[in-house]
This record gives sequence, C-alpha cells and structure tokens, in this order.
Amino acid sequence: AQSVTQPDIHITVSEGASLELRCNYSYGATPYLFWYVQSPGQGLQLLLKYFSGDTLVQGIKGFEAEFKRSQSSFNLRKPSVHWSDAAEYFCAVGVSNDMRFGAGTRLTVKP
Amino acid sequence: GAVVSQHPSWVICKSGTSVKIECRSLDFQATTMFWYRQFPKQSLMLMATSNEGSKATYEQGVEKDKFLINHASLTLSTLTVTSAHPEDSSFYICSARRTGSGLAKNIQYFGAGTRLSVL
Repeated sequence: AQSVTQPDIHITVSEGASLELRCNYSYGATPYLFWYVQSPGQGLQLLLKYFSGDTLVQGIKGFEAEFKRSQSSFNLRKPSVHWSDAAEYFCAVGVSNDMRFGAGTRLTVKP
Repeated sequence: GAVVSQHPSWVICKSGTSVKIECRSLDFQATTMFWYRQFPKQSLMLMATSNEGSKATYEQGVEKDKFLINHASLTLSTLTVTSAHPEDSSFYICSARRTGSGLAKNIQYFGAGTRLSVL
C-alpha cells in the first residue's frame, strides 16, 4: 500500500543551525516527490519537487532535498535556519490524481 | 504564476445552514481540483477530486450529499457544506492542477484554506 512517513512530529532547532526533515515512502513505482510548507492558518506552499534526473533538487527559501531510491527517502535540508522557517512541513508523493501526504513535521526555531 | 484563491478564509454559521466555499485558479486553467479537510495538528485528508464538467469523485467515507462539489469552469470549483453541524467545523483546503500535458500537471497548488466554525 502507498504510504508516506515523516518520523519526526516536532523538531526544534536554533536559529542559524542546520536542518534535516525526514521523509520515507512506500509506493508501487517511483513516484513524484514534493515538499510543502504550511504556516498557521494558511494553505500549503510548494517548496520543491522531484520528477526525475539529478537526485539533489533545489527549492525556494534556501531549501534542498535529496532523493535516495535505495532508501525510499526524500529528506529536506537547509544549511542555516531562519526564525521565519518555523512552520509545518509536509512531504507528499504521488502521480497525477493520487497524491499522499505525510503527517507533517512541526518546526520550532529557537532564537 | 500558479495562484489559487480560496474564499472565504473564515466563516461562522449556525447549525443547519449551508455554506459555500469557492476555489479559483487565478492564472491557469485547472481541469482537476481537489478538496481536503484538515483537523488541528493533523495532515490533509482528501475528501474529493473535482473534475471540470463532470461529477466529483468522493473518497470513501465522505458523504456526497453533505459535501456538494461543483466544477463548472476550468478556473472555479465550489464546495457546499449542506446542513452544517458542529462536527463539520474544520479547516478546508482546495488545490488545483494545471490542465495539459507534461510533468507540471502533477503539481498541486493550494489555496489558503477556509476555517469553518459551525455554532
């Protein structure tokens, strides 16, 4: 069965520190992969996507993600976190109308 | 580009009344739109897939007579919560996919969401 797992419900990092949010998936074939960010009371904003090709993808706001087929993972990273990055992050996988979302990881940024 | 507008952002209504939520793709055509429901501190739950000019496809457990979806044009889908009750209070989010071929049609662009409170 298709599924998306974000193992970390809540992560706290200090401003300026590096960040890695984990995402693992189970899918019949290699799906398309996405990371979205949601601020409180808002919709989801697309950070980055992976369709094919280079497994390291760059997104907006200084985020990047790496697709590792052997690990069925698509982890999100940022070298230096800013206070404005505090939000909920969702990993999503799928093709066409079939998109599955992870449970989300809430990021808190300490001053 | 790829802006999705959702209106209203917040609505309060009395139990038993109906509420309509609009989802518009402002700068692209969207043959397919999606309606999600999100409970506090939880992920998105897909309610239905809305297809322009045809009936929506509802997920298992979602009452189609309760949550009426109309996708009358390539830029507008509406969700009507009929005879709303307090248990329908939630955050509803729509998304839209671009019409056409290519990989870009696999991306969903989201509205800002509508918070529904039923008294």
